Amino acid sequence: NAGVTQTPKFQVLKTGQSMTLQCAQDMNHEYMSWYRQDPGMGLRLIHYSVGAGITDQGEVPNGYNVSRSTTEDFPLRLLSAAPSQTSVYFCASSYRFNSRVNNEQFFGPGTRLTVL
Amino acid sequence: EDQVTQSPEALRLQEGESSSLNCSYTVSGLRGLFWYRQDPGKGPEFLFTLYSAGEEKEKERLKATLTKKESFLHITAPKPEDSATYLCAVQSTGNQFYFGTGTSLTVIP
Repeated sequence: NAGVTQTPKFQVLKTGQSMTLQCAQDMNHEYMSWYRQDPGMGLRLIHYSVGAGITDQGEVPNGYNVSRSTTEDFPLRLLSAAPSQTSVYFCASSYRFNSRVNNEQFFGPGTRLTVL
Repeated sequence: EDQVTQSPEALRLQEGESSSLNCSYTVSGLRGLFWYRQDPGKGPEFLFTLYSAGEEKEKERLKATLTKKESFLHITAPKPEDSATYLCAVQSTGNQFYFGTGTSLTVIP
């Protein structure tokens, strides 16, 4: 298993540009999520999905879109990049989300995004 | 409001000097409390899940405990390779996860 993979590792955008951060997992995990990590703020949930075709907003969803057409993939779209979106983005997945077993999340290596 | 607070922000220990990290939480229905380790430039690595007050889990030099309001990560006789940031997270019954800001641990040889 490759686990949770993310591309790209690094990205620089100009204000107003759009882009998609890719996330994939090969563990047949039900739950997938996107976080951003900023100094002093901890990891904050952007969007999550509990299965193919089902997505929901987390704590900081503004400026981001997601979709989940397959179990394996969960891309994050930045619609019009802003300097406030400069951050490290992590994708995570877990086998289950609504049980008391197998609900631990496994994280990808992250994408470091800079918006100028 | 659901939230997680970790203390201290940073901790420096001599090799072999045991200590504890604290994670206090308020959440509307706890589905689970998680501990992660994060090395610089990498994604968090899962350590433990705790579900009920009184529960304990151990792995090598680490032991996690849970009460109704907080969790502790006890580190016994730490080694330099234990240096990392330790993150605490809770999952609410609303399927969302909330993370603390972490404790940065440095173990000096």
